[in-house]
Amino acid sequence: EAGVAQSPRYKIIEKRQSVAFWCNPISGHATLYWYQQILGQGPKLLIQFQNNGVVDDSQLPKDRFSAERLKGVDSTLKIQPAKLEDSAVYLCASSLDHRGKSTGELFFGEGSRLTVL
Amino acid sequence: GQQLNQSPQSMFIQEGEDVSMNCTSSSIFNTWLWYKQDPGEGPVLLIALYKAGELTSNGRLTAQFGITRKDSFLNISASIPSDVGIYFCAGPSLNAGGTSYGKLTFGQGTILTVHP
Repeated sequence: EAGVAQSPRYKIIEKRQSVAFWCNPISGHATLYWYQQILGQGPKLLIQFQNNGVVDDSQLPKDRFSAERLKGVDSTLKIQPAKLEDSAVYLCASSLDHRGKSTGELFFGEGSRLTVL
Repeated sequence: GQQLNQSPQSMFIQEGEDVSMNCTSSSIFNTWLWYKQDPGEGPVLLIALYKAGELTSNGRLTAQFGITRKDSFLNISASIPSDVGIYFCAGPSLNAGGTSYGKLTFGQGTILTVHP
């Protein structure tokens, strides 16, 4: 079974530029998450999708971050304009839910490491 | 918001030694999860605990869900070099409708180094 696919693995940009990350979840997983992991910290949820609808985006900095999940499959996370503090690993995860609940097991991709100069 | 505090922050041990790490919370959780993250990879679930007092094993790993529902510990017996990595505890935020498994709060991690 293929895992969660993310691209690009690495991206270096200058502040005020824009960047986009792509994620393809495990086939059949209805729930998709984007997490931000700053060096030395645990992952922090940015946004959660159930199929193509947003469940939780309370911690997404909406003035610069946006995310979409068209057709309920793959997803894109965009940052525009980027700031220095956006340097982090952006992790995509998916889970197999049953009647709105999951086992708590999230399957993470390898992440996209962003460096903002 | 909910916070999880892990200790110790880092550990340096010899191969074959046992390891113990714990996680405490300022609020109650209904589920405790332990993840491991290898360098350059995403976290992988090791053990999930769903009931206060529950003790669960997965090979050389043992984890317990504290009775107070505000803490959990993870033990690794007879450590080996591939145990190297960062260990995170995590718990889902509670909302008015019940447990939200997706919105996990993670601790800051315990970095484990195993010397051969």
